[in-house]
Amino acid sequence: DGGITQSPKYLFRKEGQNVTLSCEQNLNHDAMYWYRQDPGQGLRLIYYSQIVNDFQKGDIAEGYSVSREKKESFPLTVTSAQKNPTAFYLCASSNRGSGANVLTFGAGSRLTVL
Amino acid sequence: GDSVTQMEGPVTLSEEAFLTINCTYTATGYPSLFWYVQYPGEGLQLLLKATKADDKGSNKGFEATYRKETTSFHLEKGSVQVSDSAVYFCALSSQGAQKLVFGQGTRLTINP
Repeated sequence: DGGITQSPKYLFRKEGQNVTLSCEQNLNHDAMYWYRQDPGQGLRLIYYSQIVNDFQKGDIAEGYSVSREKKESFPLTVTSAQKNPTAFYLCASSNRGSGANVLTFGAGSRLTVL
Repeated sequence: GDSVTQMEGPVTLSEEAFLTINCTYTATGYPSLFWYVQYPGEGLQLLLKATKADDKGSNKGFEATYRKETTSFHLEKGSVQVSDSAVYFCALSSQGAQKLVFGQGTRLTINP
């Protein structure tokens, strides 16, 4: 079945450590996205990428970094510069030719800073 | 900029009750509108969408009509079930935009 796989599902980090969240899709989608979800705040866009080797900052990019070396992969690194990284992180993808920009989401990764 | 405002939650209803979750938006031009649903511990799934004024999106008994005159896209269901308990997100995508803008989500709990 086609879909998006995020790993790990749960991750614990000590303050000052960088962590990388994996996102892989086998939908042959061009665009990929990272959102952060906090209680009562909905989803906020961190980074997105329309094509390989290109990506743009979203609304809350500070303290995060991404790469897009392959079409199917869009890993997110949460750096020590991110002041409040505890959150639920969602990866999504879409087909640029789909017209209405329908997103397909992964199951999410929950990061907790100890 | 573009924005989406949903009714405050949480919303608690009894099984077979009528459901309305309000959603209004601010956007330039003619955005596409979406409702996504998130079940506990999972990612979001597309529930329904509408791409132009007066379109009605529908799926699994849920409906929403794109009302440009009131800039609204309210979600309705005539008879809810316990399995409808989830968080519901309204979202929009402006013409030519590369991303979706989400509302803050509304948590719905259905009691048997």
